[in-house]
Amino acid sequence: DAGVTQSPTHLIKTRGQQVTLRCSPISGHKSVSWYQQVLGQGPQFIFQYYEKEERGRGNFPDRFSARQFPNYSSELNVNALLLGDSALYLCASSLAAGQGRYEQYFGPGTRLTVT
Amino acid sequence: AQTVTQSQPEMSVQEAETVTLSCTYDTSESDYYLFWYKQPPSRQMILVIRQEAYKQQNATENRFSVNFQKAAKSFSLKISDSQLGDAAMYFCAYRNRGGSNYKLTFGKGTLLTVNP
Repeated sequence: DAGVTQSPTHLIKTRGQQVTLRCSPISGHKSVSWYQQVLGQGPQFIFQYYEKEERGRGNFPDRFSARQFPNYSSELNVNALLLGDSALYLCASSLAAGQGRYEQYFGPGTRLTVT
Repeated sequence: AQTVTQSQPEMSVQEAETVTLSCTYDTSESDYYLFWYKQPPSRQMILVIRQEAYKQQNATENRFSVNFQKAAKSFSLKISDSQLGDAAMYFCAYRNRGGSNYKLTFGKGTLLTVNP
C-alpha cells in the first residue's frame, strides 16, 4: 500500500505570495495532521482534520489555513508568505482522531523556501 | 502545556556499539504516549518505538529499547549493535491519550552519527 504522499517536493516562493501544499493520506485513513519543521528544530503542530472538520489548531497565525476533502486528502494554504515560513511541511495521517492508540504516519514533506 | 526536552544536540557511536539518547518531558496528565521518531536525510519521519504511560514494562523493538521512568518524566532510547543505517535525527515526542489528543509535541532532536 502507498504511504502518505505530499506534493510538491520542493518549491520556492517570494515574500507576500500564497502557497498551497497537498497531502494524500494512507488508504483508509480519515485523519490528516500538518506540522511545520524549521531547520534544526522538531516539528510543530499546525492543524488536524478528521472527517473534513478541523479538530485542532496549533499556535499559528490566520495566514495558515487548511481543508480536507471528501476523499480525505488535504491542502494547507499559507497566505502573505514571510521569510520565516521557510520550512519543511510535514503531513501525517492516522485512522482516526481523538483515540490515542492510532499512530500517525508521516509523508516525506514539502520543502518551502521563501525568498 | 506539554514540553519535551532533548539535551543532546549531537551524539556519535561506533558501529556495533550501544548508544543512549536522552529525553525528558513535562506534563500534568497521567495517561499519555511517548514516541521516538527517526528522521534520516531523506526527511521521512519514521516511528521507531512507542511507550504507553500506563504500562510499566519498557518497550522493545529489536535493537531499540527504552528506559521509561514515569516519576522522573524521563524516556531514553537505547540503540544496541548500532548500524550505519541508524544515522539520523532522532526526535522524542509526546501525545496525550485521552480527550482531544490529536497532536504530537516534539523535542528539538538529537543528531546521531554512526562511525564505521
